[in-house]
Amino acid sequence: DIQMTQSPSSLSASVGDRVTITCRASQDISNYLAWFQQKPGKAPKSLIYAASSLQSEVPSRFSGSGSGTDFSLTISSLQPEDFATYYCQQYNDYPLTFGGGTKVEI
Amino acid sequence: QVQLVESGGGVGQPGRSLRLSCAASGFTFSRYAIHWVRQAPGKGLEWVAVISYDGENTYYADSVKGRFTISRDNSKNTLYLQMNSLRPEDTALYYCAKDSRPGTMVGIFDYWGQGTLVTVSS
Repeated sequence: DIQMTQSPSSLSASVGDRVTITCRASQDISNYLAWFQQKPGKAPKSLIYAASSLQSEVPSRFSGSGSGTDFSLTISSLQPEDFATYYCQQYNDYPLTFGGGTKVEI
Repeated sequence: QVQLVESGGGVGQPGRSLRLSCAASGFTFSRYAIHWVRQAPGKGLEWVAVISYDGENTYYADSVKGRFTISRDNSKNTLYLQMNSLRPEDTALYYCAKDSRPGTMVGIFDYWGQGTLVTVSS
């Protein structure tokens, strides 16, 4: 199985900050990577697929980059509604696997 | 708009069975693969299973293989997860999630339900 490792596991930031979360795959997954946002008590929301393509209606302050084994999610200017937990997920092969999550706190 | 509504969760005893359902609307259900993803209380996301658009192909996580069965009824726009031989570690919120590409099992989720809670306890 492909292991996905996210860092950091949590971070503290302020409104307006630039925030970057990283995700590393245990083997080459090309660009078959997605990112999700999850707020407490809510279902995950899909943000990005193919490492850098935004899902519809996702604000442009979110961006993704990377290929192979190293990926990142950047929020260019953190907004109050962005405080949440973020997960990466590989879809290069089954079983699909997720990173452990990064909690973005105020 | 796309809606996925899970049901069937509750308390199940270890070794017993539960069946979850996911009712879909707002898209052509029979064209898309659908996944089950679970989240134990306070933990991260774990993919559970997928079924192809026509029900012909399925994949499972090792943790549920041989105990859980995913199926679908395209005439009812409904997905199922039959959970047998329940274990305490199956306790989780179970989400169904729609694959984004018709006719494929690419594994890109675009819509999620709100989840149904399964608690395995004696």
